[in-house]
Amino acid sequence: DAGITQSPRYKITETGRQVTLMCHQTWSHSYMFWYRQDLGHGLRLIYYSAAADITDKGEVSDGYVVSRSKTENFPLTLESATRSQTSVYFCASSGYGTSLISYEQYFGPGTRLTVT
Amino acid sequence: AQRVTQPEKLLSVFKGAPVELKCNYSYSGSPELFWYVQYSRQRLQLLLRHISRESIKGFTADLNKGETSFHLKKPFAQEEDSAMYYCALKRYSTLTFGKGTMLLVSP
Repeated sequence: DAGITQSPRYKITETGRQVTLMCHQTWSHSYMFWYRQDLGHGLRLIYYSAAADITDKGEVSDGYVVSRSKTENFPLTLESATRSQTSVYFCASSGYGTSLISYEQYFGPGTRLTVT
Repeated sequence: AQRVTQPEKLLSVFKGAPVELKCNYSYSGSPELFWYVQYSRQRLQLLLRHISRESIKGFTADLNKGETSFHLKKPFAQEEDSAMYYCALKRYSTLTFGKGTMLLVSP
């Protein structure tokens, strides 16, 4: 589990500010994902990436930006934070292969973000 | 579009009682389904995947394509099973999660 880390673990920011959440994995997994977890909504996919420089939108991508210049890092940026983006954010990674076993998503510890 | 429904937000049982956490899905293709668990203050982790037909921590889940269900079952609940459980459906490279069911097991 220590192979995927997120920083910061807790963040308080003000409405309108830009904030970046970091995600780092040491397994060289090709896929990385960002989710937000909200009571009553479960986990919703924000963005994902199949490889360096390849990203795609998920269900709730508005207001978020991602980049993936290196395989191991997948930062998530809130360009202008809003109160509705107060949430717990989880990063995940998974490998890719012909075996379904390789598809398991491994989750980071989460970042609790509060937008005031 | 694919959808995963977990009808119960909260399931409360006593230790030793049987547990069934419901999961229904809608998907036009051949489904691949998973159960993830999140213990208090811990990260999500994979519990079961239907393709493996395994039993983990006493939990089992059978895919029923006729009823489009993938319910999670355990014959005798333990206090340490208290957690949030998410059912997830794989589509291409991504997972669609249900809203989750909180399982509380009381002594």
